[in-house]
Amino acid sequence: KAGVTQTPRYLIKTRGQQVTLSCSPISGHRSVSWYQQTPGQGLQFLFEYFSETQRNKGNFPGRFSGRQFSNSRSEMNVSTLELGDSALYLCASSFYEGSYNEQFFGPGTRLTVL
Amino acid sequence: DAKTTQPNSMESNEEEPVHLPCNHSTISGTDYIHWYRQLPSQGPEYVIHGLTSNVNNRMASLAIAEDRKSSTLILHRATLRDAAVYYCILSTGNQFYFGTGTSLTVIP
Repeated sequence: KAGVTQTPRYLIKTRGQQVTLSCSPISGHRSVSWYQQTPGQGLQFLFEYFSETQRNKGNFPGRFSGRQFSNSRSEMNVSTLELGDSALYLCASSFYEGSYNEQFFGPGTRLTVL
Repeated sequence: DAKTTQPNSMESNEEEPVHLPCNHSTISGTDYIHWYRQLPSQGPEYVIHGLTSNVNNRMASLAIAEDRKSSTLILHRATLRDAAVYYCILSTGNQFYFGTGTSLTVIP
């Protein structure tokens, strides 16, 4: 069974631009969560989607948004990029919603904002 | 927010047991305790999780204190492939709260 895939793996943008990251969960998984990982803040929860509905959102500004499609694939969008948005963005999928389930992480998208 | 505290780093000799501690004094009754590990250039990988009772699986054991304010991940025989950053995580509702992680070095 294929794992969680994220595209692109690397991305370079400039301040003020916007970016869209994509995540394809493991086949059959309906929950997708997004995380931001930085050296200073560590791993922080962004949001979780289940059956195309956002179930929970972390403490991030409205510039960070996401959506989930009927095939469970998810996208994350960051508008008006800031230097501090440079990070590894990780996507994780699980069969059920709820954080007590095992989550399977993708390799991440490394975003650099110049 | 649920918080966990872990030592920044630990060392272990190969083929010896490793005990990785985690403090979570603000844990609530419905919070699950998870452990994930992350190798360089990879996403985190599930290790084990539990609620109140000790748990065992093929990778590790999880010992949870009776008051649930601390837990210990036990790797029974460390191998070089176990060198990674180990995260102790509390889950509340639909959110994971990651700790800062313990970087485990395994010495051959």
